[in-house]
Amino acid sequence: DGGITQSPKYLFRKEGQNVTLSCEQNLNHDAMYWYRQDPGQGLRLIYYSQIVNDFQKGDIAEGYSVSREKKESFPLTVTSAQKNPTAFYLCASSMWQGLDEQYFGPGTRLTVT
Amino acid sequence: AQSVTQLDSQVPVFEEAPVELRCNYSSSVSVYLFWYVQYPNQGLQLLLKYLSGSTLVKGINGFEAEFNKSQTSFHLRKPSVHISDTAEYFCAVSVPNTDKLIFGTGTRLQVFP
Repeated sequence: DGGITQSPKYLFRKEGQNVTLSCEQNLNHDAMYWYRQDPGQGLRLIYYSQIVNDFQKGDIAEGYSVSREKKESFPLTVTSAQKNPTAFYLCASSMWQGLDEQYFGPGTRLTVT
Repeated sequence: AQSVTQLDSQVPVFEEAPVELRCNYSSSVSVYLFWYVQYPNQGLQLLLKYLSGSTLVKGINGFEAEFNKSQTSFHLRKPSVHISDTAEYFCAVSVPNTDKLIFGTGTRLQVFP
């Protein structure tokens, strides 16, 4: 089945530790995205990538980093510089140019204490 | 710049009643419009989208939306809701010539028996 997988579903970390969230897609999509979701704030774009080895900052990139070494993979690292990392993180992908819908993964809930 | 406003953060409704979830957008250029649904602790799923053509768009699960350019609105409707429609609903606009979506803050639809 084609789709987007995110792992793990739940992740717990201590403050000050970096953590990497996985996102893999087998839809052959060019573009991939990372969003952060907080209650009452909708989805906010962290980073996105339109092609391999290239990515752009979204609206809230501070404290996060990404890589796009393969078309199907777009991991997100939440660094210790992110002041409030506890949130629900969603990965998505799409074909091109905003004409196609974005397909979402099931999300990773990160809790940092 | 584009923006999306969902005026109602919560909409309670009884089963089999009609419902309308409101969405207004702001943009100086033409945009594409989307409605997504999110069930608890899951990713987002596309309900419907408006790219061009007929202003009345039909989606999955019996939902439809009407694009109104003069009122810059894209309200979502369903004539008779089910308990299973209880979820969070997000309106989104795409930014022309990019792969980015801008989301509203969401409306939680709660259907009561």
